[in-house]
Amino acid sequence: AQSVAQPEDQVNVAEGNPLTVKCTYSVSGNPYLFWYVQYPNRGLQFLLKYITGDNLVKGSYGFEAEFNKSQTSFHLKKPSALVSDSALYFCAVRDHAAGNKLTFGGGTRVLVKP
Amino acid sequence: DAGVIQSPRHEVTEMGQEVTLRCKPISGHDYLFWYRQTMMRGLELLIYFNNNVPIDDSGMPEDRFSAKMPNASFSTLKIQPSEPRDSAVYFCASSFGGTSYEQYFGPGTRLTVT
Repeated sequence: AQSVAQPEDQVNVAEGNPLTVKCTYSVSGNPYLFWYVQYPNRGLQFLLKYITGDNLVKGSYGFEAEFNKSQTSFHLKKPSALVSDSALYFCAVRDHAAGNKLTFGGGTRVLVKP
Repeated sequence: DAGVIQSPRHEVTEMGQEVTLRCKPISGHDYLFWYRQTMMRGLELLIYFNNNVPIDDSGMPEDRFSAKMPNASFSTLKIQPSEPRDSAVYFCASSFGGTSYEQYFGPGTRLTVT
C-alpha cells in the first residue's frame, strides 16, 4: 500500500530564510507526487507535481521540490520565506496501482516569523 | 473557471438530523472526490467517482453516510442520522484523469452537529 510521511508537525523559520518541508513516500511502482497548501478556513491549493522528467520541479509562489528516487523523498523548498507562506502544507502520492486517488501525508504547519 | 463549488459553507444541525452537502466539480473533470478533515484524523478520503460511477467507497465511515453523483456536474454527500462525531470540514475535489491527476479542492463545508 502507498503511504506518505511528513516527519515534522511544524516548521518555524524567519522571514527571508530558506524554507524546507520534508516528505518521504512509499509506493509499489513509479510515484506521482504532489504538494498542496492550505490557508486557514480554505480548501487545499495545488502547488506543484512530479510526474516524470527533471527531478527539480518548480511550482506556484516561488516553491520548488526535488524528487529523489533513492531516498524516496520529495522535499518542498523555497529560497526565501515570506510571512504569507505561513500555512499547512500537504504532500501526496498517487500510485498507479491504486487508481486515481491520492494518499496524503499528515501535514506540516509552517510558521514564518517576521 | 469558477473552480469547485460547495454548498453550504457552514452547517449547524442537531444530532439525528439529516445533512446533505453539495458539490459542483470543475467542468470537464471526470473524477470527483469527497474528503473529511478533522484535527484528530487529518484528511481522509471518503469516496470517489469516475464518470459519475462510484469507484472506491472504502473510506465511508458507516451506513449513515451515502454519496451520489447523478450527473457530471453535481454530487451530494448525505449523513442520516447525523452524530456529533461527524463534525468536521468536508471537502469536495475534482480532477481530470487523462494526464494531470492533480486534484482541485472546493472551499469546504464546515459541519457542526450538536
